[in-house]
Amino acid sequence: QKEVEQNSGPLSVPEGAIASLNCTYSDRGSQSFFWYRQYSGKSPELIMFIYSNGDKEDGRFTAQLNKASQYVSLLIRDSQPSDSATYLCAAERNNAGNMLTFGGGTRLMVKP
Amino acid sequence: AAGVIQSPRHLIKEKRETATLKCYPIPRHDTVYWYQQGPGQDPQFLISFYEKMQSDKGSIPDRFSAQQFSDYHSELNMSSLELGDSALYFCASSLKGDVLFYGYTFGSGTRLTVV
Repeated sequence: QKEVEQNSGPLSVPEGAIASLNCTYSDRGSQSFFWYRQYSGKSPELIMFIYSNGDKEDGRFTAQLNKASQYVSLLIRDSQPSDSATYLCAAERNNAGNMLTFGGGTRLMVKP
Repeated sequence: AAGVIQSPRHLIKEKRETATLKCYPIPRHDTVYWYQQGPGQDPQFLISFYEKMQSDKGSIPDRFSAQQFSDYHSELNMSSLELGDSALYFCASSLKGDVLFYGYTFGSGTRLTVV
């Protein structure tokens, strides 16, 4: 079992809809979580990070964290075709000092 | 703002040759990470350096070595290249020791093709 699990997708949503991306992690000691967006052949780009249980909003993006359930999600409102990419969830490894473990990524396709 | 600089962007090598990839972290960042990403795969951690010392080691083959220099730039040396080494190689940097960790910043990557 990978330490960070994501559904590989593709997740297909129509333009303007809400895209919901999910991630689970196995290390209960992980405290901080990150969402990266990666376009094909490009480097991962940090979208959001979250440390506390609950929701964190930034523009069209909302990250949600539930440490009891070991679950992280990313909601993208008003999805645009330009949001089509692979979204990588990452967890900071416990007691490993700023080391991230990445999930396999979910490919999102937003159809016009 | 300055980003993580990697060179070269593309590299084509033959089997059994050697390759050297370079990474220049964001100024003031003291930690460098190297990742390998094969087609359709998530980034696999290879090795990291903090203050010029190796801090963690992942799935890096013995044929590969890396170091961080006094100016904090890092080089990944790959010898006896195999076809399976063809991948995107990303360098990332971060500033350790912050109360909050803001994640990595990735460079644009080096695409290595072994033929």
